[in-house]
Amino acid sequence: SAVISQKPSRDICQRGTSLTIQCQVDSQVTMMFWYRQQPGQSLTLIATANQGSEATYESGFVIDKFPISRPNLTFSTLTVSNMSPEDSSIYLCSVEDLVGREFTDTQYFGPGTRLTVL
Amino acid sequence: AQKITQTQPGMFVQEKEAVTLDCTYDTSDPSYGLFWYKQPSSGEMIFLIYQGSYDQQNATEGRYSLNFQKARKSANLVISASQLGDSAMYFCAMREGRLLTDSWGKLQFGAGTQVVVTP
Repeated sequence: SAVISQKPSRDICQRGTSLTIQCQVDSQVTMMFWYRQQPGQSLTLIATANQGSEATYESGFVIDKFPISRPNLTFSTLTVSNMSPEDSSIYLCSVEDLVGREFTDTQYFGPGTRLTVL
Repeated sequence: AQKITQTQPGMFVQEKEAVTLDCTYDTSDPSYGLFWYKQPSSGEMIFLIYQGSYDQQNATEGRYSLNFQKARKSANLVISASQLGDSAMYFCAMREGRLLTDSWGKLQFGAGTQVVVTP
């Protein structure tokens, strides 16, 4: 599996501000995803980060609120814009399909970013 | 409709005992994959085990085994010889469709089961 890191690991932010979360992988991967996990809840897919093109968003998530970049096969960012307390969650990136290796259908997750919005 | 159902919100288990976590799923697609993940209090999601719908044998990974009953649409996780470090939230997840085709869908998670291992 790949080694995935996320920055920051946690943050406390004021409402109305924005936070950019970084996801770095030590191997090139085809697919990268961003998830949100609200307190006490399961994971919800926000979007699929596509290299060199716009992300594909799930129902209920929009680009203006959660802009995503993916400049290459090892890196992606998720921005949480104009934050409100409802955005307090764990944000996780995940990857699958390591380039150059036999395809496996398993997603591997980063350590998560724990966001609190006051 | 809920695709993945985990009916046990929480469980206590004694150290060294085995524990079974229930997971039932709902799909009409003959091709799908089932996954279990562990989430400790730190928040990371750790992949544990995978079962494909066409796999003839139940998956095993160390102390983890998956009791796959296709006709009943259940994929229960069995943790043998529980350790204190097994205390965590456990999520069952499913992907529908055929691998490496456009039908390969997104990962869908159940609500999770909180496991507490006691000495």
